[in-house]
Amino acid sequence: NAGVTQTPKFRVLKTGQSMTLLCAQDMNHEYMYWYRQDPGMGLRLIHYSVGEGTTAKGEVPDGYNVSRLKKQNFLLGLESAAPSQTSVYFCASSTGLGNNEQFFGPGTRLTVL
Amino acid sequence: GQSLEQPSEVTAVEGAIVQMNCTYQTSGFYGLSWYQQHDGGAPTFLSYNALDGLEETGRFSSFLSRSDSYGYLLLQELQMKDSASYFCAVNQAGTALIFGKGTTLSVSS
Repeated sequence: NAGVTQTPKFRVLKTGQSMTLLCAQDMNHEYMYWYRQDPGMGLRLIHYSVGEGTTAKGEVPDGYNVSRLKKQNFLLGLESAAPSQTSVYFCASSTGLGNNEQFFGPGTRLTVL
Repeated sequence: GQSLEQPSEVTAVEGAIVQMNCTYQTSGFYGLSWYQQHDGGAPTFLSYNALDGLEETGRFSSFLSRSDSYGYLLLQELQMKDSASYFCAVNQAGTALIFGKGTTLSVSS
């Protein structure tokens, strides 16, 4: 099992460009999440999904959109990138049951110039 | 609103015991989780407390007091490999996690 994978690992964008980050999991988890991590800020929840076809806003959703068309995939889109979106993006998945242990992907380092 | 407070840094020596605290203020509290993150890596799950008391897993223990909105992670017999950031996170409504800003632990020899 690959667990949680993220594509791409690194990306540099210019202000105003758009891109999509892909997260895939092979653990048949219902719940998936997107976080961003900035120095000294911990992990902040952007959007999450409790099942195929559902999405919900987290703490910092502005400037991002998500889609969960297939259970195993969760896409994060930036329509018009801004320098403030320079960050490390982590995807995670979980069963949503019990301790709701979240399994994280390796992260995507995004720089917006 | 919701907030979690953690000390930003803790230093200790190999073989010692260290306690990292977490206080929280939130609605819809289901439990408190702890995650470890090594530099440049992904966070990994350490422990979870839904009820008051101590949970032990090897060298790691986690404590929760719901009445005090307080928890801590205790690491015993510290090793160099324990140098990492440790995040507490509130489980809200059994789904999303809200993370604290983390405590960076530095272990020296």
